[in-house]
Amino acid sequence: QKEVEQNSGPLSVPEGAIASLNCTYSDRVSQSFFWYRQYSGKSPELIMSIYSNGDKEDGRFTAQLNKASQYVSLLIRDSQPSDSATYLCAVNAGGTSYGKLTFGQGTILTVHP
Amino acid sequence: SAVISQKPSRDICQRGTSLTIQCQVDSQVTMMFWYRQQPGQSLTLIATANQGSEATYESGFVIDKFPISRPNLTFSTLTVSNMSPEDSSIYLCSVGGQLNTEAFFGQGTRLTVV
Repeated sequence: QKEVEQNSGPLSVPEGAIASLNCTYSDRVSQSFFWYRQYSGKSPELIMSIYSNGDKEDGRFTAQLNKASQYVSLLIRDSQPSDSATYLCAVNAGGTSYGKLTFGQGTILTVHP
Repeated sequence: SAVISQKPSRDICQRGTSLTIQCQVDSQVTMMFWYRQQPGQSLTLIATANQGSEATYESGFVIDKFPISRPNLTFSTLTVSNMSPEDSSIYLCSVGGQLNTEAFFGQGTRLTVV
């Protein structure tokens, strides 16, 4: 069983729509959760972090965490073609700190005009 | 976040040779991490590099194949040894952030082994 699993893609949404990306994780002691965006040929860029249950909003991005269900999601409102990228869910491995992360397989998002 | 410089940015190497990748950070950091991203795949942690001690390797990665140095708090190297085409990947250096849980990445080294 994969430790971090993302919803299968690719995901295609029209410009202006809401894109919903989902992720589940297996390690219950995980404490920190992240969403990275990776453009083709580039390194991952941190776009959201969330540490406690509930929603966290930053501009057009909302991260949602439910530790009981071991589920974290990312909503992108008013999607733009520039949001087209691979989105990686990452979890702080084993509850330890210092930036050691386990990544999901990624979801490719395409926003079409 | 820290500024992370990685070099080379890309290289094409002959099988059987070795390549050393350098990672320089603009501030002192406790731990540095090396990840591999195989074509079309996600990131897999290779090892954690601690200053003053041996690196800690993840399952499936060994020191003989991926020796790591960490001579000070701002620098680390990863060597990919005795390369084969299966080693063709992007290798990424990362460091923790202010909260020591998130990770920030260098621009990566795209390695092609022929």
